[in-house]
Amino acid sequence: ENQVEHSPHFLGPQQGDVASMSCTYSVSRFNNLQWYRQNTGMGPKHLLSMYSAGYEKQKGRLNATLLKNGSSLYITAVQPEDSATYFCAVVRSGGYQKVTFGIGTKLQVIP
Amino acid sequence: NAGVTQTPKFQVLKTGQSMTLQCAQDMNHNSMYWYRQDPGMGLRLIYYSASEGTTDKGEVPNGYNVSRLNKREFSLRLESAAPSQTSVYFCASSLESMNQPQHFGDGTRLSIL
Repeated sequence: ENQVEHSPHFLGPQQGDVASMSCTYSVSRFNNLQWYRQNTGMGPKHLLSMYSAGYEKQKGRLNATLLKNGSSLYITAVQPEDSATYFCAVVRSGGYQKVTFGIGTKLQVIP
Repeated sequence: NAGVTQTPKFQVLKTGQSMTLQCAQDMNHNSMYWYRQDPGMGLRLIYYSASEGTTDKGEVPNGYNVSRLNKREFSLRLESAAPSQTSVYFCASSLESMNQPQHFGDGTRLSIL
């Protein structure tokens, strides 16, 4: 069964700290991994995509790495507006369950 | 640009009633998707449309039907609503395929009594 797990489930850093979170996956025919953020009551928004193990991507204060069976996401100098749920989506090549989303890590920045 | 627009934002139905959730995108995307999001679970794909005129089942299609009306619009229909279909429904689109970033609407919160 295709699965995506997140760690930790909740993160409460102080403003200005680094927030660190990760997801691990178990899927067949991996194609790419995408990170999304979702604010309460809103739809998810795509942050970045990664395609092969060892791939690193930086976007503003976001820094992500794709590992063999997972990914880590770091947010430097977190701000209250970064508070949201962050989750991975793992896309497969073929099959019905083409995409598997994790539940995510809820980030709540303390001002 | 509005991006992906979903209507209605909220709806309460009685068991057995039917309704259609509407979705439209203005980004000229080929692929569109319907998901449901339930507490304690990740988004689950209900149906998707890789291009105008095609639709395919996702992970949880039972109890739902879809119509890709044109390139812009993709609707989701519940023929006979059941309490198990109480959820938040999201429509999304992407340029060509699921391999690319998806743009989501802000959801329809559906309660079935």
